[in-house]
Amino acid sequence: SQTIHQWPATLVQPVGSPLSLECTVEGTSNPNLYWYRQAAGRGLQLLFYSVGIGQISSEVPQNLSASRPQDRQFILSSKKLLLSDSGFYLCAWSVPPHRGLNQPQHFGDGTRLSIL
Amino acid sequence: GESVGLHLPTLSVQEGDNSIINCAYSNSASDYFIWYKQESGKGPQFIIDIRSNMDKRQGQRVTVLLNKTVKHLSLQIAATQPGDSAVYFCAERKMWGSNYKLTFGKGTLLTVNP
Repeated sequence: SQTIHQWPATLVQPVGSPLSLECTVEGTSNPNLYWYRQAAGRGLQLLFYSVGIGQISSEVPQNLSASRPQDRQFILSSKKLLLSDSGFYLCAWSVPPHRGLNQPQHFGDGTRLSIL
Repeated sequence: GESVGLHLPTLSVQEGDNSIINCAYSNSASDYFIWYKQESGKGPQFIIDIRSNMDKRQGQRVTVLLNKTVKHLSLQIAATQPGDSAVYFCAERKMWGSNYKLTFGKGTLLTVNP
């Protein structure tokens, strides 16, 4: 079966520090991968998605970047964190449409990021 | 505004009652809908999905109804249990080239009272 792992679960960082959040998927190959941010009491905002190694699409202009160095690894980064980067960051994977049109996205348990 | 929204931000029910969580969407091109359950401190968990060519789908204690005429989606939970307490999100999918995007509503907080 497929599993998705995110770490760390919680992170407290000072303003201006760098960031690296990691997400890995097991049990599937060539998944679509996604990074979302969830503000308190709100829905999910798509930040980045990737359909393959080195292929990253950004949904919103921001202080963050994403990379996919390996097929099942997705990394969210920042060179200098802002206060507004605080939030709950979720990674998700899905089967690409050509392998299964009606397939949901599956989420990790997220990283709670607090910027001080 | 958001294309997927919810009629009620909170819902409180007694254990054993049936729960109905509603969702409105505005994009008539959306072809697939998903309900997720999110417990505190965890990621959203897939509950049930439905394609736009269906109007009803049943799972274990859950039923999703889709009314395309009024662009309305609902999740029914039978015999609600304390473990059902969580935030429930609906999501709609719209095909986007060879890929697709999910748009999520803000969520409904379901509280089950023992």
